[in-house]
Amino acid sequence: QVQVEESGGGVVRPGGSLRLSCVVSGFTFSRYSVHWVRQAPGKGLEWLTISSYDGSHEDSAASVKGRFTVSRDNSKSTVFLQMNSLTPEDTGIYHCARGHRFGSTWTNHYFDYWGQGALVTVAS
Amino acid sequence: QSALTQPPSVSGDPGQRVTISCTGGSSNIGAGYEVHWYQHVSGTVPKLLIYGSTYRPSGVPDRFSGSKSGTSASLAITGLQAEDDAEYYCQSYDNSLSAWVFGGGTRLTVL
Repeated sequence: QVQVEESGGGVVRPGGSLRLSCVVSGFTFSRYSVHWVRQAPGKGLEWLTISSYDGSHEDSAASVKGRFTVSRDNSKSTVFLQMNSLTPEDTGIYHCARGHRFGSTWTNHYFDYWGQGALVTVAS
Repeated sequence: QSALTQPPSVSGDPGQRVTISCTGGSSNIGAGYEVHWYQHVSGTVPKLLIYGSTYRPSGVPDRFSGSKSGTSASLAITGLQAEDDAEYYCQSYDNSLSAWVFGGGTRLTVL
């Protein structure tokens, strides 16, 4: 049974940093990419970044590029999202989700298992 | 401004059929990338409804179906039920942004 669980959310002041963790189980972690998706209050889903299964693919949304970095520890089936220079616009629920490739095109990922999310609030 | 455009809202009576469109461009859907659909009820985890533009995961009722043509895709829901009242998102990949992208979301109201 696949399980995905985020942790590390909280309240942080503007300009501050926070690190989220995403622990997964129930599948071979080293064979899957993991994505981070957030939802700001009253807004839709926004893709943020990917932790590719082999570490070879680095992409981030323009809104977080240069501020958010992702890393993974395959021995612990865990992905980390390091968030720096946070602004109030970064407030929201942060989900991690397993990326499942469809067909032969590597970027044809869909997100089949999601965590409940970690709430991040950036406020003074 | 999302790379994928969805109508903000649609509505229908129980038992009716509704469709939700997802319009992209030459760098995403038109480039051949597949479209995937999610149902999101506030306070819960987004649920995968359609993957690979037309495939349903096990457990998703066959009332839900997906299609893709050119630079657009659609989600159709037949036999509307009260439990379908939710937000729906399309998702694909955009090679000019080098990013996975979601549509802005469509709020389905079952009247």
